[in-house]
Amino acid sequence: AQKVTQAQTEISVVEKEDVTLDCVYETRDTTYYLFWYKQPPSGELVFLIRRNSFDEQNEISGRYSWNFQKSTSSFNFTITASQVVDSAVYFCALRRVNQAGTALIFGKGTTLSVSS
Amino acid sequence: GAVVSQHPSRVICKSGTSVKIECRSLDFQATTMFWYRQFPKQSLMLMATSNEGSKATYEQGVEKDKFLINHASLTLSTLTVTSAHPEDSSFYICSARDVKGWDTQYFGPGTRLTVL
Repeated sequence: AQKVTQAQTEISVVEKEDVTLDCVYETRDTTYYLFWYKQPPSGELVFLIRRNSFDEQNEISGRYSWNFQKSTSSFNFTITASQVVDSAVYFCALRRVNQAGTALIFGKGTTLSVSS
Repeated sequence: GAVVSQHPSRVICKSGTSVKIECRSLDFQATTMFWYRQFPKQSLMLMATSNEGSKATYEQGVEKDKFLINHASLTLSTLTVTSAHPEDSSFYICSARDVKGWDTQYFGPGTRLTVL
C-alpha cells in the first residue's frame, strides 16, 4: 500500500522562527517521486519541489530546504526565518504509478500559521 | 511555468441540477488529467484519472454515473456533477500531467461547488 503521513496537523510559529514540517511515506515501489505543495487560503495548490527516489541529495531553495532520507522514509521540509506569507496548508505527496496513470497520493496536510 | 485553468471558480446550484467544470492546460498538452475533491480542512482525494480519447478510470467509491468525465482533447477535460445534492458541495481541483520536462503535475485553481 502507498501512504503519506503528515503527523503534524497544525503548527504555529512567530515570524523569523525556523519550522520543520514532517512527512513520512510508505511505498513498495523501488522508483517513486515525492512532492511538496503549498495551499494558501485562496485554495490554489503551488508546486514547491519534486524529488526522485534515486536522488537523496538534500535541496535548498532560498528559505526552503528539504531533507530526504530513504532509510527512514521521510521527506521533511524546513522553512528558515518564517514569514507571515508562509501561512498556508502544506501537503506532502507521493506519486502513485499504476495502469491508470500517475496520480498523487496526498498526506492530510499541515496547517502552518505564522504570526507577526 | 505550466498553467492550468478551471472554470468556473465558484458555482452555486440548486439540488437536482447538473454542473459542468472545465479544466484546461493552457500552454502544454496533457494526455492525462486528474480530478481531485477536497472537503474543508481535509486532504485532496483522487476521484478519477482522465486520459485523452479514452474512458476515465474512477477510484473506488466514486460513482462514475454521477461524476461524468470527458477528456476530448489534449488541453481540455470536463467534470460534470449530475443531479447534484448538498453532499456534493466541495472544492474540486484538477491537475494536468505535463509529460515533457519533469513529468510534473500542475494544478488548477479549483472550483468551489455549493449545492443548495
